[in-house]
Amino acid sequence: DAGVTQTPRHEVAEKGQTIILKCEPVSGHNDLFWYRQTKIQGLELLSYFRSKSLMEDGGAFKDRFKAEMLNSSFSTLKIQPTEPKDSAVYLCASSFPGGVNYAEQFFGPGTRLTVL
Amino acid sequence: TQTVSQSDAHVTVFEGDSVELRCNYSYGGSIYLSWYIQHHGRGLQFLLKYYSGNPVVQGVNGFEAEFSKSDSSFHLRKASVHWSDSAVYFCAPMPNYNVLYFGSGTKLTVEP
Repeated sequence: DAGVTQTPRHEVAEKGQTIILKCEPVSGHNDLFWYRQTKIQGLELLSYFRSKSLMEDGGAFKDRFKAEMLNSSFSTLKIQPTEPKDSAVYLCASSFPGGVNYAEQFFGPGTRLTVL
Repeated sequence: TQTVSQSDAHVTVFEGDSVELRCNYSYGGSIYLSWYIQHHGRGLQFLLKYYSGNPVVQGVNGFEAEFSKSDSSFHLRKASVHWSDSAVYFCAPMPNYNVLYFGSGTKLTVEP
């Protein structure tokens, strides 16, 4: 089975640009998560979807960050407009909310975003 | 305030040594507790989890963790480390839904 796929792996943006990061979860997984990872703040939850419904969004990220789940096998994270402080690694993860793998999340390789 | 604490930011050991990475949490009630590993430049990988039963749980690659209710801890251990175990390790309680709350991580360096 394919794992979680994220594209692009690296993104460089100018301040003020709009960028869209993409994620394909593991086939059959109902839950999808977006995280931001920085050295200072560590791992922060941006969004959590269950069966395409938004269950939780990181309150601090609402204004310029918008995650969408267009179908069960594809999600996007839009940052608009970007700021230099958005430079980080953005991780996507998926899980199946039941069975022996409950509470286990499968992570993609991440997208490293640099905002100049 | 509900928190998860990994007191050691960096741990360095030699290949073949045993290691314990510490995790303390303050979430109440019965929760899932798990550990994840992140090699440099890669995403996180699940290692093991605990919810109930035997407080010592086994994970992949010889890792195990022990839950202690009295200490509010879930420490990760390995009896004999290999250079490939060098990575950052994250403790992650799951107090509700399927949402994980990650600790700050412990960077393990295994010297040859």
